[in-house]
Amino acid sequence: DVVMTQSPLSLPVTLGQPASISCRSGQSLVHSDGNTYLIWFHQRPGQSPRRLISQVSNRESGVPDRFSGSGSGTDFTLKISRVEAEDVGVYYCMQDTHWPFTFGPGTKVDIK
Amino acid sequence: EVQLVESGGGLVQPGGSLRLSCAASGFTFNNSWMTWARQAPGKGPEWVAIIKGDGSAKTYVDSVKGRFTISRDNAKNSLSLQMDSLRAEDTAIYYCILGTGMVWGQGTLVTVSA
Repeated sequence: DVVMTQSPLSLPVTLGQPASISCRSGQSLVHSDGNTYLIWFHQRPGQSPRRLISQVSNRESGVPDRFSGSGSGTDFTLKISRVEAEDVGVYYCMQDTHWPFTFGPGTKVDIK
Repeated sequence: EVQLVESGGGLVQPGGSLRLSCAASGFTFNNSWMTWARQAPGKGPEWVAIIKGDGSAKTYVDSVKGRFTISRDNAKNSLSLQMDSLRAEDTAIYYCILGTGMVWGQGTLVTVSA
């Protein structure tokens, strides 16, 4: 299985300031079709995960443009340009290139 | 609006069985890959099984192979997960998911305990 790692695992942030989460995979996430299947989810306490970004950098409809994804191969990053109170929770990266799809351990974001 | 509503969770003894169901609406169900994932208390999610729109392809994570069966009824816009030989480590919230995470249901809790 493809092992996904994230750093940091805990991220205290100041409202209005930027934040960045790193995600690394144990092998390349480039699919045989040429696409890279890396997803970012956000999960608030007591809620189901919500997909924010797919295929590394494609923001889902309704996701604020302060969220952006980047990266290639095995190294990926989620950035929040200016953190808002509603952004607290756990962020997971997940690869859907190789079965079984696998998640990172999660990064818990809270407000300082 | 896409809606996924799971049901069928509950408390079951080790070695027992449960059948989870998911009622889907708001999208073209028979064209859509569907997935079951689970999340143990305090842990991250784990993919469990995925099924193609016409049901012709199914894949499972190794830890449930031979014990869980994913199926669908496209006439009823319904997804199912038959879980047999349940173990304590299967305790989790089980989510029905459109595609590879596009939309998640609210989940149904399965607790395996004597």
